[in-house]
Amino acid sequence: EAGVTQFPSHSVIEKGQTVTLRCDPISGHDNLYWYRRVMGKEIKFLLHFVKESKQDESGMPNNRFLAERTGGTYSTLKVQPAELEDSGVYFCASSQGSTSTDTQYFGPGTRLTVL
Amino acid sequence: AQSVTQLGSHVSVSEGALVLLRCNYSSSVPPYLFWYVQYPNQGLQLLLKYTSAATLVKGINGFEAEFKKSETSFHLTKPSAHMSDAAEYFCARRAPTGSARQLTFGSGTQLTVLP
Repeated sequence: EAGVTQFPSHSVIEKGQTVTLRCDPISGHDNLYWYRRVMGKEIKFLLHFVKESKQDESGMPNNRFLAERTGGTYSTLKVQPAELEDSGVYFCASSQGSTSTDTQYFGPGTRLTVL
Repeated sequence: AQSVTQLGSHVSVSEGALVLLRCNYSSSVPPYLFWYVQYPNQGLQLLLKYTSAATLVKGINGFEAEFKKSETSFHLTKPSAHMSDAAEYFCARRAPTGSARQLTFGSGTQLTVLP
């Protein structure tokens, strides 16, 4: 069974540009999460999808970030326009259920560098 | 705020020595607790989780952790370190009830194993 995959693995862009990150969850997992780790700090929650619906987007930093999950399969996270402080590693995770005991399976992350 | 604190951003042990990585939580209600490991260029992998059943939890690769409510701790241990254990370890919490399903992470502990 394939794990959670993320694309690209690295992205280097200039301030003001747009970047789109993609996450493919484990097949059959209705729950998809985005997290971010900025410069060696804690990994922080961004948002949670259940199928195609945003269940919780309380962690989204501002309106420059737009997440979508059309059809309830893969998800994209767009940053437009990117700022220097957006640099970090963006992780995606998926889980089959959404109870508190369900295991979240993480992808390898996308390392975003904004110059 | 409900949080997770990992004491020691870097821990070094000799091969064959005891591994002890510390994690403390703060919340009025005991949370569910998780330990994840990240090997270089890989995603986070679940080592073990506490979900209010047995307080001593055994995980993969010989790791275990004990939930101690009186000390609000969930320290990770392994009796004998192996070179392959070198990685970054993350403690995380999740509320046992309510609608929020995201993980809240500690800042991570980088484990170095010396030959």
